[in-house]
Amino acid sequence: QSALTQPPSVSGSPGQSVTISCTGTSSDVGTDNRVSWYQQSPGSAPKVILFQVTKRPSGVPDRFSGSQSGYTASLTISGLQAEDEADYYCCSYTSSTYVFGPGTKVTVL
Amino acid sequence: QVQLQESGPGLVEPSGTLSLTCAVSGYSVSDVAYWSWVRQSPGKGLEWIGEVFYTGTPNYHPSLKSRLTILLDNSKNAFSLELRSVTAADTAKYHCVRSLGWWFLDLWGSGIQVTVSS
Repeated sequence: QSALTQPPSVSGSPGQSVTISCTGTSSDVGTDNRVSWYQQSPGSAPKVILFQVTKRPSGVPDRFSGSQSGYTASLTISGLQAEDEADYYCCSYTSSTYVFGPGTKVTVL
Repeated sequence: QVQLQESGPGLVEPSGTLSLTCAVSGYSVSDVAYWSWVRQSPGKGLEWIGEVFYTGTPNYHPSLKSRLTILLDNSKNAFSLELRSVTAADTAKYHCVRSLGWWFLDLWGSGIQVTVSS
């Protein structure tokens, strides 16, 4: 069982915004901006889209944004596009290990 | 362009040893980086297994530490995974992954499916 919790699924129409939460504890999400987010499209490997809570790697569209409040980190996709339909995983680095959330399936209606 | 490619047997017998290799191109495994293995199964999602630092220093997930070895092979520009005494619970898709630090995994291999079965 994952130590991080995410909603199993979220959905939205093209152009809308969706937010995925990732809730942990003071030992993981609450520690030193060590949260990252990964997008996994069907049949593909995961790809990092956010690191250190809010930072985007080169090439990731700015419609992906991150935030954190207490022990909950959030990923927001603004201006949802069909290509954003995928599974999204949060991840926290704690006690020298990476811990992943169970994943959230984003469906574009 | 940096690429990671996993290879190894797709079928391992119960109680046997799962051995995989990750060939790295476009980046030297002896340059600063952490080289990890992450597995993915329908029942357990993504699970980080362990990593080896470019110096050769390993760091393993506590739950797998007793069965696990991750090594660098500078001569082949690759790193490897050895998981001993496997059971059906070790059936998963195994990805090799690079981290340049800063607590995130920046580059993933496409993965290799490994099934533990007799």
